[in-house]
Amino acid sequence: DVKVTQSSRYLVKRTGEKVFLECVQDMDHENMFWYRQDPGLGLRLIYFSYDVKMKEKGDIPEGYSVSREKKERFSLILESASTNQTSMYLCASSLLAGGFSGGSTDTQYFGPGTRLTVL
Amino acid sequence: GDSVTQMEGPVTLSEEAFLTINCTYTATGYPSLFWYVQYPGEGLQLLLKATKADDKGSNKGFEATYRKETTSFHLEKGSVQVSDSAVYFCALSPSANSGNTPLVFGKGTRLSVIA
Repeated sequence: DVKVTQSSRYLVKRTGEKVFLECVQDMDHENMFWYRQDPGLGLRLIYFSYDVKMKEKGDIPEGYSVSREKKERFSLILESASTNQTSMYLCASSLLAGGFSGGSTDTQYFGPGTRLTVL
Repeated sequence: GDSVTQMEGPVTLSEEAFLTINCTYTATGYPSLFWYVQYPGEGLQLLLKATKADDKGSNKGFEATYRKETTSFHLEKGSVQVSDSAVYFCALSPSANSGNTPLVFGKGTRLSVIA
């Protein structure tokens, strides 16, 4: 079974702190994703990565950066945490991020989430 | 761009009731369609998927049929259980000609099943 793990289930930080959220997958997937989940807004894509050292902005990249130095690890960084970044953060991985033939694509596998509170 | 619209919740049902959660999509070409489920305190997990028109995905008693003519992928279950209480997300993967684009998710529908 694919396993995606996230470094913390719950995290409390103060405004202005630098925050690192770590995600590791064990299935040699090329693609990794960071989402945030908020009530009434569903999942919103922050950043994704198709390969080591590659990254693409998602729908809401402002205030975030990412790092992918190794294939299995994808880190989300909040350079200076703010209260509006209090949220549930979900990491996911997949073999293919989009369809390349006949509309087929691979499933995204999610970690358990990190609930971040910024005070 | 591509988008997914699903019915707003919360949905509250009694045990053994019939469940339908509506999902419609807008996309060019031939997307793949998914239903994900998120149980309390957990991440999302794939419930079922369909990759072409008229395909039916099924798992754990849930079913959804890819209807291209109505651009829909409604989730159904004949008899829900308390353990089905969760948030359900409809999602699509753009077709081959849309480029290397991640999944597009609906906003989720919270289901509560009471005994």
